[in-house]
Amino acid sequence: ELKVEQNPLFLSMQEGKNYTIYCNYSTTSDRLYWYRQDPGKSLESLFVLLSNGAVKQEGRLMASLDTKARLSTLHITAAVHDLSATYFCAVEAYSGAGSYQLTFGKGTKLSVIP
Amino acid sequence: GAVVSQHPSRVICKSGTSVKIECRSLDFQATTMFWYRQFPKQSLMLMATSNEGSKATYEQGVEKDKFLINHASLTLSTLTVTSAHPEDSSFYICSARARDRGRLEQYFGPGTRLTVT
Repeated sequence: ELKVEQNPLFLSMQEGKNYTIYCNYSTTSDRLYWYRQDPGKSLESLFVLLSNGAVKQEGRLMASLDTKARLSTLHITAAVHDLSATYFCAVEAYSGAGSYQLTFGKGTKLSVIP
Repeated sequence: GAVVSQHPSRVICKSGTSVKIECRSLDFQATTMFWYRQFPKQSLMLMATSNEGSKATYEQGVEKDKFLINHASLTLSTLTVTSAHPEDSSFYICSARARDRGRLEQYFGPGTRLTVT
C-alpha cells in the first residue's frame, strides 16, 4: 500500500521568510502532484512532476522531485499572506486493471503572518 | 483547460433521506471518474473509481450499498448517498481523468458540501 507523508502538517511563517515542505512516499512512482486548497474550496493544481530531478517554479513556489529518495519538496520563497492555504502532495501509482490512483498526503496548513 | 462541474455545491438533508451528487466533465470525455471524501481538516480519501459503463470499484471500508455510483456516460457520474446520517456529512469531491497532449491528466471538481441534520 502506497503511503505518502508530508511534513510539517502545520506551518506558521512570517512574511518574507523562506521554508520548505517535504513529501515522502513509500513505493516507486514517477508522477507527483502538488495542490493548493483554500478553505471551503476544492483543489487547485500547482505542479506535476514527472521525472527524477524535475524542478518546476511558479512565482514564489518551487517544487522538485527525487524519485530515488522518493522525496518531493515544495519551497516557498519570501512568503506573502496570499500563500496561506493548505498544500497537498499526491502520488500516482498503478492500482491494477490498467488504472492509476492518486494517494494524498495529509496536507500542510500554511499560515503566513504579516 | 478541462473543466469539471459538480452539482449541487451545497446540500443539507435530513437523516434517513438520500442525496444525489452529479459530476460532469464539461469540455472533454472522461475515461475514468473518481469520488473523494474530505472530512474537516483532513486529507482527501478516495472512495471509489468508476469507468463509463461498468461497475465502480470501491475502496476498502466504503459501503457500496450506501454510496451508489453510476457512470452512465463519458461526461457524467453520479454519487448517491443513501439513508444519509450525520456522520456522512463531509466535502465530496469528484475528479475526471482524460488524455491531454498524450498524457493522462486528472481534473478536480469544485466539491459538494453535504450536511446531514
